[in-house]
Amino acid sequence: EAGVVQSPRYKIIEKKQPVAFWCNPISGHNTLYWYLQNLGQGPELLIRYENEEAVDDSQLPKDRFSAERLKGVDSTLKIQPAELGDSAVYLCASSLGGRGTEAFFGQGTRLTVV
Amino acid sequence: GESVGLHLPTLSVQEGDNSIINCAYSNSASDYFIWYKQESGKGPQFIIDIRSNMDKRQGQRVTVLLNKTVKHLSLQIAATQPGDSAVYFCAENYRGGGGADGLTFGKGTHLIIQP
Repeated sequence: EAGVVQSPRYKIIEKKQPVAFWCNPISGHNTLYWYLQNLGQGPELLIRYENEEAVDDSQLPKDRFSAERLKGVDSTLKIQPAELGDSAVYLCASSLGGRGTEAFFGQGTRLTVV
Repeated sequence: GESVGLHLPTLSVQEGDNSIINCAYSNSASDYFIWYKQESGKGPQFIIDIRSNMDKRQGQRVTVLLNKTVKHLSLQIAATQPGDSAVYFCAENYRGGGGADGLTFGKGTHLIIQP
């Protein structure tokens, strides 16, 4: 069974440019998460989807970050415009749904803003 | 501040020895806990989980202990192998005021296996 797939693996952009990340969750997983991971830190939740609905986006910086999961399957996370401080690894995870269910993570997209 | 944290940023053990990685959490409403292993350049990988109605759970070479009285979680790895070298995160799941059901992670412990 394929795991959570993310692309691209690496992205280098200049500040003020837009960038987008893509995630394909495990088939059948209704819940999808986007996490941000800074170097040497644990992942921090940005947004959680239940099917196509964003049920928790309280930690998403909405002035520059946006996300969508239009058909309740794959998802995109966008930053526009990117800032130097956005350099981090962006992780996508999915789970069958419901509290207390195991979340499976993708390999992440490492973003470098120069 | 963080609700989940780890006592030691780095733990070095001899190959074949047992490892114990500790974690403290502060949210008494947390009822589900997971240990993840993250190797360099990879996403976190599930190791073992435990619910708050349990105080111990065993897997293959790993054991998680939960002490709700002092809000402490530990991961024991038996007979550590070179492949166990990684950063280990504990994570908690609780229903926050905003309905946040995502996991809250600690900062991680870097486990180094010495030959």
